[in-house]
Amino acid sequence: KQEVTQIPAALSVPEGENLVLNCSFTDSAIYNLQWFRQDPGKGLTSLLLIQSSQREQTSGRLNASLDKSSGRSTLYIAASQPGDSATYLCAVDDNAGNMLTFGGGTRLMVKP
Amino acid sequence: DGGITQSPKYLFRKEGQNVTLSCEQNLNHDAMYWYRQDPGQGLRLIYYSQIVNDFQKGDIAEGYSVSREKKESFPLTVTSAQKNPTAFYLCASSRQGANTGELFFGEGSRLTVL
Repeated sequence: KQEVTQIPAALSVPEGENLVLNCSFTDSAIYNLQWFRQDPGKGLTSLLLIQSSQREQTSGRLNASLDKSSGRSTLYIAASQPGDSATYLCAVDDNAGNMLTFGGGTRLMVKP
Repeated sequence: DGGITQSPKYLFRKEGQNVTLSCEQNLNHDAMYWYRQDPGQGLRLIYYSQIVNDFQKGDIAEGYSVSREKKESFPLTVTSAQKNPTAFYLCASSRQGANTGELFFGEGSRLTVL
């Protein structure tokens, strides 16, 4: 069974710092991987989706990479801002059909 | 604007009562999903539906029931058989199932059992 792990569980950084969030998965036979943002008490907002054939995706200050063979993805946030404070979750679609497996999330706080 | 609407946002239930959470989408998506989120944890799949009048159990379906009579609607009933129903419930949809595109989420419904 697919397992998705996100480390660290929580992260606090000063404003302006570049940071990396990590996501690892146990079964490399995935179809795609998605990164989401969740604000407290809210739903999830999709940030980036990486298909299995892709190595990375970029959107503004966000860059997500995927290394299927090693079972890892990273979300890079450049020049972090207090507005980036949220929980970031990754999820993999493992070809089992319509079932995403989510990691536990990384709770990010960016201090002004 | 297109999106997913969940209601109610907050719901309180007495033990032994069934409650139904509403989920409506106007994105013309075929697939819809219900997830449960507990504090500090990731999301766990309760039920999903790829097409009208068809749905499948997820990892934690016991104590829950769903219906998919219309493409736009996928209500979730939390029954009295669910032993620990207090949680944050999230509804989502995707174009043809998660392995073809992005997953879009509603704002969630927080259920508290008194």
